[in-house]
Amino acid sequence: NAGVTQTPKFQVLKTGQSMTLQCAQDMNHNSMYWYRQDPGMGLRLIYYSASEGTTDKGEVPNGYNVSRLNKREFSLRLESAAPSQTSVYFCAGGQEASGANVLTFGAGSRLTVL
Amino acid sequence: AQSVAQPEDQVNVAEGNPLTVKCTYSVSGNPYLFWYVQYPNRGLQFLLKYITGDNLVKGSYGFEAEFNKSQTSFHLKKPSALVSDSALYFCAVRDSGGSYIPTFGRGTSLIVHP
Repeated sequence: NAGVTQTPKFQVLKTGQSMTLQCAQDMNHNSMYWYRQDPGMGLRLIYYSASEGTTDKGEVPNGYNVSRLNKREFSLRLESAAPSQTSVYFCAGGQEASGANVLTFGAGSRLTVL
Repeated sequence: AQSVAQPEDQVNVAEGNPLTVKCTYSVSGNPYLFWYVQYPNRGLQFLLKYITGDNLVKGSYGFEAEFNKSQTSFHLKKPSALVSDSALYFCAVRDSGGSYIPTFGRGTSLIVHP
């Protein structure tokens, strides 16, 4: 039972390069999320997807794009990486149950932009 | 709007002593409250949630949290701390009448000393 799987775990980019972070879940979650975690800032929501075929902006969407390819997969793309995007990125899936939305997180992807 | 505050960046406690990690929230309607834990180089893991009912909620690893509506608080507690409890703890809230997306606090680093 893998849960939420993110790839790659580590990546170093040069300013201006592009890359895609992949996320897949096998928990049948309807909603999926991308967060970034920075020291002293907690978790900030970049984009989310309420269901297959829909995506919406979160708190810090600038510089990112997402694709909800199917129910399992939700990718995050950096078109032209900037040093300010150096961060740890987490993908999560959400399970609505009794009104709650308990999130299951991946292990994270550490991105460094030089 | 919904928000959550964790007033302490770091909490230090001796092994065997009780621990408390504080969380206060603000919502328009009724709150759904959550605690997550993050061990080094890992994703966040769900600990416990309050939806309705008993104000004292029990969760994983011996943790519990007390919902206090008058003080708008949801403090995390454990009667006897273990060194292995050392981690980053996040409180989250969502408004039952609003967005299903939880808002996370900035996190509190718990350090348990041997």
